Amino acid sequence: GQNIDQPTEMTATEGAIVQINCTYQTSGFNGLFWYQQHAGEAPTFLSYNVLDGLEEKGRFSSFLSRSKGYSYLLLKELQMKDSASYLCAVYNTDKLIFGTGTRLQVFP
Amino acid sequence: GAVVSQHPSRVICKSGTSVKIECRSLDFQATTMFWYRQFPKQSLMLMATSNEGSKATYEQGVEKDKFLINHASLTLSTLTVTSAHPEDSSFYICSARSGGGEQGVTGELFFGEGSRLTVL
Repeated sequence: GQNIDQPTEMTATEGAIVQINCTYQTSGFNGLFWYQQHAGEAPTFLSYNVLDGLEEKGRFSSFLSRSKGYSYLLLKELQMKDSASYLCAVYNTDKLIFGTGTRLQVFP
Repeated sequence: GAVVSQHPSRVICKSGTSVKIECRSLDFQATTMFWYRQFPKQSLMLMATSNEGSKATYEQGVEKDKFLINHASLTLSTLTVTSAHPEDSSFYICSARSGGGEQGVTGELFFGEGSRLTVL
């Protein structure tokens, strides 16, 4: 079976740093994506990891450990507009399977 | 960047009617399109993979006779919800894969804007 797990909800304060974890067990692996989704909108691409290590892109960074089946998304200098759902997705051979999603709420 | 357009964005229908949702890749040819549904406060669930010129591949638990998928051209896939019922009310999102992606994956994935279906 396919399992991609994330915490359901997280809260943080504006200006802080938050780490959203994702663990996965899939039959195949061709990369891991992170998407941001605001309520009622389609997901937007944030990052992609296929090799182990940290990928940094501005305020957002994503880490992958294939041996551990683990990834995290790190958000720095949080802003109110970062309040959204964050979806971890594994590219499994030829399709993208989404995790449960994490709803992040940023407070002033 | 590449654009995927989905239409309609919102649709309300009566129970028992059929609804068609279109997904178009506007500036690239999409050999593969994916259809997802998303219930409130839940993640995206893959329904089916649509390949141009061949039958769609449905995920376990998805009724192929209820959710008809047609991918007749490289730029258009349609999802028809037949005999819709209130439990089919959901947010349906398509995504399309281009021929080659900057991330090195076989085709970068782009999402449509989503279609919110409400069945009364």
